[in-house]
Amino acid sequence: EIVMTQSPATLSVSPGERVTLSCRASQSVSRNLAWYQQKPGQAPRLLFYGASTRATGVPARFSGSGSGTEFTLTISSLQSEDFAVYYCHQYNNWPPMYTFGQGTKLEIK
Amino acid sequence: QVQLQMSGPGLVKPSQTLSLTCAVSGGSINSGGYSWSWIRQPPGKGLEWIGYIYHSGTTYQNPSLKSRVTISVDTSKNQFSLKLTSVTAADTAVYYCARNSNSGDDFPDYWGQGTLVTVSS
Repeated sequence: EIVMTQSPATLSVSPGERVTLSCRASQSVSRNLAWYQQKPGQAPRLLFYGASTRATGVPARFSGSGSGTEFTLTISSLQSEDFAVYYCHQYNNWPPMYTFGQGTKLEIK
Repeated sequence: QVQLQMSGPGLVKPSQTLSLTCAVSGGSINSGGYSWSWIRQPPGKGLEWIGYIYHSGTTYQNPSLKSRVTISVDTSKNQFSLKLTSVTAADTAVYYCARNSNSGDDFPDYWGQGTLVTVSS
């Protein structure tokens, strides 16, 4: 099983700040990595796939990068609606044994 | 715009079978090259991939759950289903159904709202 480790677990930030969230895979997943945003009581929302391809409707202040075992999600200037939990998800195995990171919670400082 | 509507009991007794159905509207489950996923989230915890199915009936499941999981599709009703046998309190979670991308990679690109299933006597 590929273990996905996200850091930090919680990040306290102020609106307007730039933030970078990290996701590390225990072995290479190439670029088969997605990011999701989840707000309380809601289903996750796809932000990125293929490590850096922005999903439909995702604001340009979000960017994704990385390959292999190291990935990052960057928000250039935090807006109030961005405070949420962010999950990375690898879909690289065959046969499928897909896994998620444990999440990073962005909270208001 | 696809919509996913889940149905099933919110309370299941230990050792019994959890059964959920996800009805797809706004598109045919047969078309577009999509596959259809189940994912769960224990209260206050992260996401766990359960498995997914193609309209052909081909399925892939999490090996840690495989012996207890059945995922099926009913194309005539435009829906897919999850059965999880011999449940315990550890199976208490919000269960999500989702559509996977038709890009050739099977990551969820649209999720249903989720339903909380509690395992308790």
